[in-house]
Amino acid sequence: DVVLTQSPLSLPVTLGQPASISCRSSQSLVHSDGNTYLHWFQQRPGQAPRRLFSKVSNRDSGVPDRFSGSGSGTDFTLKISRVEAEDVGVYYCMQGTHWPLDTFGQGTKLEIK
Amino acid sequence: EVQLVESGGGLVQPGGSLRLSCVVSGFTFTTAWMTWVRQAPGKGLEWVANMDPSGNTKYYVDSVKGRFIISRDNAKNSFYLQMNNLTAEDTAVYYCATPSRWLLYWGQGALVTVSS
Repeated sequence: DVVLTQSPLSLPVTLGQPASISCRSSQSLVHSDGNTYLHWFQQRPGQAPRRLFSKVSNRDSGVPDRFSGSGSGTDFTLKISRVEAEDVGVYYCMQGTHWPLDTFGQGTKLEIK
Repeated sequence: EVQLVESGGGLVQPGGSLRLSCVVSGFTFTTAWMTWVRQAPGKGLEWVANMDPSGNTKYYVDSVKGRFIISRDNAKNSFYLQMNNLTAEDTAVYYCATPSRWLLYWGQGALVTVSS
């Protein structure tokens, strides 16, 4: 089974400062069709998850451009260029390459320092 | 506007059963792969099950195999999760989401509490 390991698990950040979250997979996430089905989700307190990026770096509608996704193979990163108060929550990576058995990372809790 | 609305959550005793429903609107349900995801209190997201548009193909996480059954009624735009032989470890918020593999759309979740 594919295991996604996120780091750090807790991320205190000062407002206006950058933040970075790593997601590493135990197996390559490159599908035989050439796509990499690694997605990022944000879950604000008390809310359902919201997808931010699909296939590594495709930003979903309404996601601020201070967010960016990158990576390849087994190593992926979600970056926030300048953290704002509304960014507080838990961030998850998820792989759909080895679908239909999907996998989530453990989550990274971002809080304001 | 795409909407997914779960219902059927509640308190159930260990060993009991519960059926969750997810009613959808705003997209073509009859061609959509559907997914259940759960989140235990204070924990992360866990994929539970996927179902194809016809309802003939189903996949489950190992921890629920033999106890949970997913189904759908395309005429009612509804997706279901029948949960049997529940244990405390099944206590969680259960989300329906779509499309499988992509999970762009999510419901608000239904809380299931297994306790005596």
